[in-house]
Amino acid sequence: RKEVEQDPGPFNVPEGATVAFNCTYSNSASQSFFWYRQDCRKEPKLLMSVYSSGNEDGRFTAQLNRASQYISLLIRDSKLSDSATYLCVVFTGGGNKLTFGTGTQLKVEL
Amino acid sequence: GAGVSQSPSNKVTEKGKDVELRCDPISGHTALYWYRQSLGQGLEFLIYFQGNSAPDKSGLPSDRFSAERTGGSVSTLTIQRTQQEDSAVYLCASSLGVGTGELFFGEGSRLTVL
Repeated sequence: RKEVEQDPGPFNVPEGATVAFNCTYSNSASQSFFWYRQDCRKEPKLLMSVYSSGNEDGRFTAQLNRASQYISLLIRDSKLSDSATYLCVVFTGGGNKLTFGTGTQLKVEL
Repeated sequence: GAGVSQSPSNKVTEKGKDVELRCDPISGHTALYWYRQSLGQGLEFLIYFQGNSAPDKSGLPSDRFSAERTGGSVSTLTIQRTQQEDSAVYLCASSLGVGTGELFFGEGSRLTVL
């Protein structure tokens, strides 16, 4: 089983739609969680951290479910500019151990 | 600029040749990472440097790969006797420290081995 698993998609949604992605992780000792965004042929950039209580940043909401070992990202009122690949990242501690998922591709269409 | 700088941005080489990829992290960032990303794939961790500590080399795929970081700043990733399967984008990232989760990536070095 992969340490971090994501549905590769693509998720094709119309502009204005709400879309959600999940990411599961295998190591119950994982400490911190993040969502990164990667545009086509560009480098990944941090989108938001994921806190235990859940957190929101504008149209983006991230949640963590430790019992089921997954994190989620919800995007409301999708924009064309949201089209990208969203990478789930898990930090397990013990020096460096940031593990990236393979990403979920989102395509927002007119 | 103030971001992570990588060079070369593109490198085409012949199988069997050695290549060096350079990374200049953000000033003041003590942690430096190398990842590689093959077409349509996720990021594969290669090596990590943190301050003066011994690097975490657990991700290096073979002994043909090595990296060093001089003076706690610039890093060089060296691939000896390149193979076609080494073709990928090699991404360098830096951060303020361990576990912050916020990595700042360079634009990558795209390596093509013919």
